[in-house]
Amino acid sequence: SAVISQKPSRDICQRGTSLTIQCQVDSQVTMMFWYRQQPGQSLTLIATANQGSEATYESGFVIDKFPISRPNLTFSTLTVSNMSPEDSSIYLCSVASRGTTNEKLFFGSGTQLSVL
Amino acid sequence: GESVGLHLPTLSVQEGDNSIINCAYSNSASDYFIWYKQESGKGPQFIIDIRSNMDKRQGQRVTVLLNKTVKHLSLQIAATQPGDSAVYFCAERDTGRRALTFGSGTRLQVQP
Repeated sequence: SAVISQKPSRDICQRGTSLTIQCQVDSQVTMMFWYRQQPGQSLTLIATANQGSEATYESGFVIDKFPISRPNLTFSTLTVSNMSPEDSSIYLCSVASRGTTNEKLFFGSGTQLSVL
Repeated sequence: GESVGLHLPTLSVQEGDNSIINCAYSNSASDYFIWYKQESGKGPQFIIDIRSNMDKRQGQRVTVLLNKTVKHLSLQIAATQPGDSAVYFCAERDTGRRALTFGSGTRLQVQP
């Protein structure tokens, strides 16, 4: 399985500021995804991070609010822009390993974000 | 839209008993299903998966059952241990997508 490192693991931010979350994988992966997990709830897909092109966003999520970069096959960033308390969530990076038929998704430990 | 949901939000079992966690899904185009375990402060951890051409798959102490007729998925944990206490999510993948859609989660509490 891929080893996924997310930074920061947690942060407390002020309303109106932005936070960039980094996701580093120890091997090249085909797919990288960003999920949000609001308190006490399940995981919701924000977007698919595409290498070398713009991310593909799910309904309800827009690039201006959640810009994503993926410069190579092992690294991606998610920025939460102009934060409000409603953005307080766990943000999770997920990857699918290359070359597998059943592409299990592996998850990082997440970034716990609190917005005051 | 299509969704994946769970019948029981919390399940409490005695240590040593068997646990059954259920999940209903609505997307008939789903071809792949996974169960994840999430402990507090951690990301979801893969437990077991099953493709839609199977109806049962067994792992170490865990079994996943898939009933495509009624769009139902279950996770059975044998001889439940305190370390099994966590939130369990089912997830499904549509044949046309690479990402997973997650159910709402069931909290499993194991009583010593």
